[in-house]
Amino acid sequence: TQLLEQSPQFLSIQEGENLTVYCNSSSVFSSLQWYRQEPGEGPVLLVTVVTGGEVKKLKRLTFQFGDARKDSSLHITAAQPGDTGLYLCAGSNFGNEKLTFGTGTRLTIIP
Amino acid sequence: DAGVIQSPRHEVTEMGQEVTLRCKPISGHDYLFWYRQTMMRGLELLIYFNNNVPIDDSGMPEDRFSAKMPNASFSTLKIQPSEPRDSAVYFCASSHGTGGYDYGYTFGSGTRLTVV
Repeated sequence: TQLLEQSPQFLSIQEGENLTVYCNSSSVFSSLQWYRQEPGEGPVLLVTVVTGGEVKKLKRLTFQFGDARKDSSLHITAAQPGDTGLYLCAGSNFGNEKLTFGTGTRLTIIP
Repeated sequence: DAGVIQSPRHEVTEMGQEVTLRCKPISGHDYLFWYRQTMMRGLELLIYFNNNVPIDDSGMPEDRFSAKMPNASFSTLKIQPSEPRDSAVYFCASSHGTGGYDYGYTFGSGTRLTVV
């Protein structure tokens, strides 16, 4: 069974600060996705990374896939209250349609 | 597109009763997934379908759970009889396939089930 551990589990910071959350596994994934989930809603896809070492930017969010494709990070610059939510990483492998979701990081940005 | 539609949004039922959750996927998506989310266990895949055919039901907790997809636009997840430990938020998601590689999964808003 492939597992994805996310850290920290909870993070609460002031508006304007920077932060990084992590997603780690002992297994290799063909691709990794990041989702954000707001209260009362389902997760929404933010980005997909597929190449080891790949970096993708989405406005103030920077996503990186580890060289060995076993880990990923999400960095947020100048966090805003609208960034508050549950961040989930999810891994998949070619030929298998299942996504394995990580344990999640619950982020709170304090105005 | 209205997205993935789930009903009901909330369900409160007594232990032992039958519960049916419903899902309408996005038109054209050929994969449909049922997930369960709890604080303790996070998001767990229960079952998924490809072109209306169940492919992997290894996540279904026990025989009390069953899922069907009679056509491309409708799926149900049934729990009979329900137990308090089934209380969770149940999500339906659909995708074009390829492990969600290109487009990811589109999730519904979920059904919050409480069994008392």
